[in-house]
Amino acid sequence: DGGITQSPKYLFRKEGQNVTLSCEQNLNHDAMYWYRQDPGQGLRLIYYSQIVNDFQKGDIAEGYSVSREKKESFPLTVTSAQKNPTAFYLCASSPSVGNTIYFGEGSWLTVV
Amino acid sequence: DAKTTQPTSMDCAEGRAANLPCNHSTISGNEYVYWYRQIHSQGPQYIIHGLKNNETNEMASLIITEDRKSSTLILPHATLRDTAVYYCIVRVLRNTGKLIFGQGTTLQVKP
Repeated sequence: DGGITQSPKYLFRKEGQNVTLSCEQNLNHDAMYWYRQDPGQGLRLIYYSQIVNDFQKGDIAEGYSVSREKKESFPLTVTSAQKNPTAFYLCASSPSVGNTIYFGEGSWLTVV
Repeated sequence: DAKTTQPTSMDCAEGRAANLPCNHSTISGNEYVYWYRQIHSQGPQYIIHGLKNNETNEMASLIITEDRKSSTLILPHATLRDTAVYYCIVRVLRNTGKLIFGQGTTLQVKP
């Protein structure tokens, strides 16, 4: 089936550790995105990528890093510099920036 | 992107049509109306979008008023699995991917 796969679904990490969230899509979409959603809050854009080997900061990029070495993959690293990393992270993709955005199932990150 | 206003919650009987309103009185001419829904602990699911004409797909219908200041999402035969938070957003398709989700409408479908 075509879609966006995020892994893991639930992740626990100790404070001070970096953690990488995986996102893979087989929709042949050029654009990919990472959002953060806190309980009862809307989505906030962390990073987006229009094409391979290119990515741009969103509204809350501090403490996060990404790479886009392959069209299908857009991993997000939550670094120890991120002050409040515990959240629900959503990966998304669209045929290109400006088209309809489709979301993965999300990953819950808890930092203790 | 323009702001949207939705009722906080709605109930609907299973099998009946669910009509979810959205106000977007400050919408610009090049902004599309998008609807997503989100079930707890899952990613938002795209439902439908439109510019000024009414739209229908396998999930729902979108009715946009002639002045484009409001719209209604219609789920023709609601099921229990349609219980979710429904978000109406407006966006310019050239933007960066920033989606402004408001509080949405919590739709409770009851047996």
